[in-house]
Amino acid sequence: QKEVEQNSGPLSVPEGAIASLNCTYSDRGSQSFFWYRQYSGKSPELIMSIYSNGDKEDGRFTAQLNKASQYVSLLIRDSQPSDSATYLCAIPPGAGGTSYGKLTFGQGTILTVHP
Amino acid sequence: GAVVSQHPSRVICKSGTSVKIECRSLDFQATTMFWYRQFPKQSLMLMATSNEGSKATYEQGVEKDKFLINHASLTLSTLTVTSAHPEDSSFYICSARDLKQTKFFGSGTQLSVL
Repeated sequence: QKEVEQNSGPLSVPEGAIASLNCTYSDRGSQSFFWYRQYSGKSPELIMSIYSNGDKEDGRFTAQLNKASQYVSLLIRDSQPSDSATYLCAIPPGAGGTSYGKLTFGQGTILTVHP
Repeated sequence: GAVVSQHPSRVICKSGTSVKIECRSLDFQATTMFWYRQFPKQSLMLMATSNEGSKATYEQGVEKDKFLINHASLTLSTLTVTSAHPEDSSFYICSARDLKQTKFFGSGTQLSVL
C-alpha cells in the first residue's frame, strides 16, 4: 500500500459545482496534513493544512480529516475554471513530522472545471 | 509571505555535462531545505534533505555522488546534477522551512538532458 494515495482522476466538474478530492494514508502516527495545488509546469502552492479531526474551512475550500479512517479530503465549493489544476495531498512522516519538514506526496488528482 | 527563489527555471544541457540549480530563501533563514524531483504526470518525490553546514541526507535510491547538494549558508542550497543523462530530465523543486515550520516551495527547474 502506498503511503499516501489519491485517485489520479481526472476529475471533471462543471463551473459552480463542488469538487471533492480524497486522500488516504497508511501511517497512523501522522499528525498533520496538507493540500497543495499545482498548475502545469509550476511548483506546488499550499492551500490548506489540517491537524485535527473534523472540518476546516477557508473561503471556498474545506478540508476534512478523519484519523480513525485515515483519510483526508478537500472540498472546493463554487468551482471555477481557474481551479483546474493538480491537487496534491502531502503528509509528513511519523508522529513528530510537523517540525521536520519532509513531506510524502500523493500522486495527485487532476481537476478540470469546465465552463 | 516568504519567498524561495530557484534558478534557473529551465535548463537544457548535453548528456555528460553537470548542471547546478540554486535555491535561495530571500527573506528568511532556512536551516533546512528539501530537494524534490517530479517526472511528468507523477507526484513529487523527495530526493534529499539539505542542512546548513552539514552533509545532506539522501532518500533511498538517490545517488549522492550524482546529485551533489551543498548548503553553505542559511539562505542558499545548491543541487548539482553531475554527468547528466536523459533519464535525469525532470522538474526539480526545492523547498525551505522557516522558523515557524512553514514550508515554501521554489518555482522549480525544468531540466532537459539531450
